[in-house]
Amino acid sequence: DTEVTQTPKHLVMGMTNKKSLKCEQHMGHRAMYWYKQKAKKPPELMFVYSYEKLSINESVPSRFSPECPNSSLLNLHLHALQPEDSALYLCASSQDRTGGEQFFGPGTRLTVL
Amino acid sequence: GEDVEQSLFLSVREGDSSVINCTYTDSSSTYLYWYKQEPGAGLQLLTYIFSNMDMKQDQRLTVLLNKKDKHLSLRIADTQTGDSAIYFCADYTGGFKTIFGAGTRLFVKA
Repeated sequence: DTEVTQTPKHLVMGMTNKKSLKCEQHMGHRAMYWYKQKAKKPPELMFVYSYEKLSINESVPSRFSPECPNSSLLNLHLHALQPEDSALYLCASSQDRTGGEQFFGPGTRLTVL
Repeated sequence: GEDVEQSLFLSVREGDSSVINCTYTDSSSTYLYWYKQEPGAGLQLLTYIFSNMDMKQDQRLTVLLNKKDKHLSLRIADTQTGDSAIYFCADYTGGFKTIFGAGTRLFVKA
């Protein structure tokens, strides 16, 4: 299995809602990433988990809260988002910290009303 | 800081070759990647080249690396309409960070 899966595919939420994005991989990768991608822009790194520990937080606002329950799962909890947070949220994984080859999921298209 | 630059658009006719160019600034690059993104989808790794190589060929794809000029190119032979997408050049220098270029939008005309 060489796939990264993400759910849901699309999400529409209000500014007072709480929702979660989920990401799963079964390739035995020990590093997992959240990226945010706005239209016609490259992905921007948000968080990196390595061996289930948060390794990088790129100064992301606290309304985004990542969680890595185990080596296969990565969640992104969303609360009190703003309309400018609307974007494609991509999850990726890589074998470990020694290689940059990342496998991306299809993304969750988030719209904040 | 590190930077990766790409031209934003490229238009070619079906059957022609496409060449997408990229320049990067970091001298300590270890791997350089090309990713493809189709509309509404995630990024798909196409190919990569290790920094001590100058060329890599993989079926219709040829990657050329000029380390002295910090220039990377991706050539797609016999370009098809299914190749229409955004192509991102990415520079991996170690740790967890990959620096992505802005992406080149490839249009293939039938």
